[in-house]
Amino acid sequence: DSGVTQTPKHLITATGQRVTLRCSPRSGDLSVYWYQQSLDQGLQFLIHYYNGEERAKGNILERFSAQQFPDLHSELNLSSLELGDSALYFCASSPRSLPSGYTFGSGTRLTVV
Amino acid sequence: ELKVEQNPLFLSMQEGKNYTIYCNYSTTSDRLYWYRQDPGKSLESLFVLLSNGAVKQEGRLMASLDTKARLSTLHITAAVHDLSATYFCAVDRYGETSGSRLTFGEGTQLTVNP
Repeated sequence: DSGVTQTPKHLITATGQRVTLRCSPRSGDLSVYWYQQSLDQGLQFLIHYYNGEERAKGNILERFSAQQFPDLHSELNLSSLELGDSALYFCASSPRSLPSGYTFGSGTRLTVV
Repeated sequence: ELKVEQNPLFLSMQEGKNYTIYCNYSTTSDRLYWYRQDPGKSLESLFVLLSNGAVKQEGRLMASLDTKARLSTLHITAAVHDLSATYFCAVDRYGETSGSRLTFGEGTQLTVNP
């Protein structure tokens, strides 16, 4: 157990729907990062939050949004889902905005049918 | 735009043999990481390389970094079946106001055969 908790582990939903993925960072970590892993795009950075503030944005679609709450957990919201959104979504955390290392969660596997 | 390239992408090797995975990146970076991923599983951190000439070893794996050549290598010594996995290198760039992000290579799928 890495200390980074992601729920749910698996999610199957239909096209056009909206889902929320949840991440609880390792105790004491202030930064949360979201990554998408798909067969055609590989591992791609989506977004970085530090202590509730957005710090960096990657190739995140407009249909996707995220936030980090005061208790430091984070949610990634995916809407108007398409088949191509099927992927493994990882959350990672680190102690600070300038990380000394990243700890990854076990991921949420999203299947859009 | 920062690009990270690994080669080979697929590697099939026999137990007991040695091999090297290469990771090239296009611009200066702050740190270089190596991760291992088993199918459908999370990313396990193997090494963090901070500076030019850094070398780290753990068991049968050794990683090195040449920042001038923008090249990192992951050397496998006397491979065993348990090393079968996908190995990723990733480059870290961060700034006080611009946040942090990892840019990953495509991954090297390693299969060690008896």
